[in-house]
Amino acid sequence: AQSVTQPDIHITVSEGASLELRCNYSYGATPYLFWYVQSPGQGLQLLLKYFSGDTLVQGIKGFEAEFKRSQSSFNLRKPSVHWSDAAEYFCAVGPYSSGTYKYIFGTGTRLKVLA
Amino acid sequence: ETGVTQTPRHLVMGMTNKKSLKCEQHLGHNAMYWYKQSAKKPLELMFVYNFKEQTENNSVPSRFSPECPNSSHLFLHLHTLQPEDSALYLCASSQDITSGDLDNEQFFGPGTRLTVL
Repeated sequence: AQSVTQPDIHITVSEGASLELRCNYSYGATPYLFWYVQSPGQGLQLLLKYFSGDTLVQGIKGFEAEFKRSQSSFNLRKPSVHWSDAAEYFCAVGPYSSGTYKYIFGTGTRLKVLA
Repeated sequence: ETGVTQTPRHLVMGMTNKKSLKCEQHLGHNAMYWYKQSAKKPLELMFVYNFKEQTENNSVPSRFSPECPNSSHLFLHLHTLQPEDSALYLCASSQDITSGDLDNEQFFGPGTRLTVL
């Protein structure tokens, strides 16, 4: 079955430190992969997406993610975290089959940033 | 208004009430979605509309009734809900559901926080 796993429910980092959020997926073919961020009281905002091509994807707000087929992973990274990055982050897989999209989301990772 | 808007932002209702959630997108999209977001659970896709036609009902109980009068508006009518239906209800839109185009991403509204007493 198709699934997305975000193994870390909570992550705490100091401001200025580097960040990596993990995402593993289970899907029979190369999926479309997404990272979304949700600030308190807000909807989800797309950070970046991978469809094909270069496996290192650049997104907004200084985020990047790397698709590793051999590890079925799509981890999100940022070299230096800012206090405003505190939010919940969701990885999603967008299987495209039978002529339609059906996004599958992970359970999310809540990021806390220490001053 | 830009993007995807949802009203009300917060709603408290009793189990016997009837209420409706509204979603409006100003992006010229043709597909609209309802998701349920509960604590500690993945986002659950509820309904999908494409060009005003319902294309997906993800085994949602009949106490939730969607309506899509046009491509810009989506409603979720609520009737005799249960306390376990308390959650954040998110609306999203995308260009359509069939395109494999790189830009066919989903844009989300801020959600309606629903509490059922």
